[in-house]
Amino acid sequence: KAGVTQTPRYLIKTRGQQVTLSCSPISGHRSVSWYQQTPGQGLQFLFEYFSETQRNKGNFPGRFSGRQFSNSRSEMNVSTLELGDSALYLCASSLIRATSGSTDTQYFGPGTRLTVL
Amino acid sequence: QQPVQSPQAVILREGEDAVINCSSSKALYSVHWYRQKHGEAPVFLMILLKGGEQKGHDKISASFNEKKQQSSLYLTASQLSYSGTYFCGAASGGSYIPTFGRGTSLIVHP
Repeated sequence: KAGVTQTPRYLIKTRGQQVTLSCSPISGHRSVSWYQQTPGQGLQFLFEYFSETQRNKGNFPGRFSGRQFSNSRSEMNVSTLELGDSALYLCASSLIRATSGSTDTQYFGPGTRLTVL
Repeated sequence: QQPVQSPQAVILREGEDAVINCSSSKALYSVHWYRQKHGEAPVFLMILLKGGEQKGHDKISASFNEKKQQSSLYLTASQLSYSGTYFCGAASGGSYIPTFGRGTSLIVHP
């Protein structure tokens, strides 16, 4: 079974630009969660999508948004990029909602490394 | 508020045991455990829900102590493949959204 895929793997943008990252979950998985990982802040939860609806959102500004399509693929968008947005963006998929109190296994993709200059 | 992981780093020889703790200042709803190797994505190990349960995954198990607002990850008879950074994600305050600790670096030597 194919794993979680993320595209692109690497991205370089300049301040003020916007970026869209894509995540394709494991076939059959309906939940996609996004995380940001930086050396300074560590791993942080961004949001979770399930059945095309955002179910939970972490403590990030409105510049961070996302969506999920009917095939469960998800995109996240960051507008008006800032230097501090440079990070590894990870997505993880699971069969059922990750933030509902389930103990379902989450599978992570390889991540997209975003560098903002 | 971030959970506190201890110790920050552990160095072991193959076959030795280790315990990593994850403490929260708030009442815990759930604790997630992950391992991440350098340059790779995290690998999910397990989630524990409040109720004081213990879960196992091969020679890696974890406990959840609701009273102490703490979870502990136990690695027994460590193998070289256990090396990496272990993160806990703690959900509290009525939400299952995890807040992650700073990680514990585990190095296993032959």
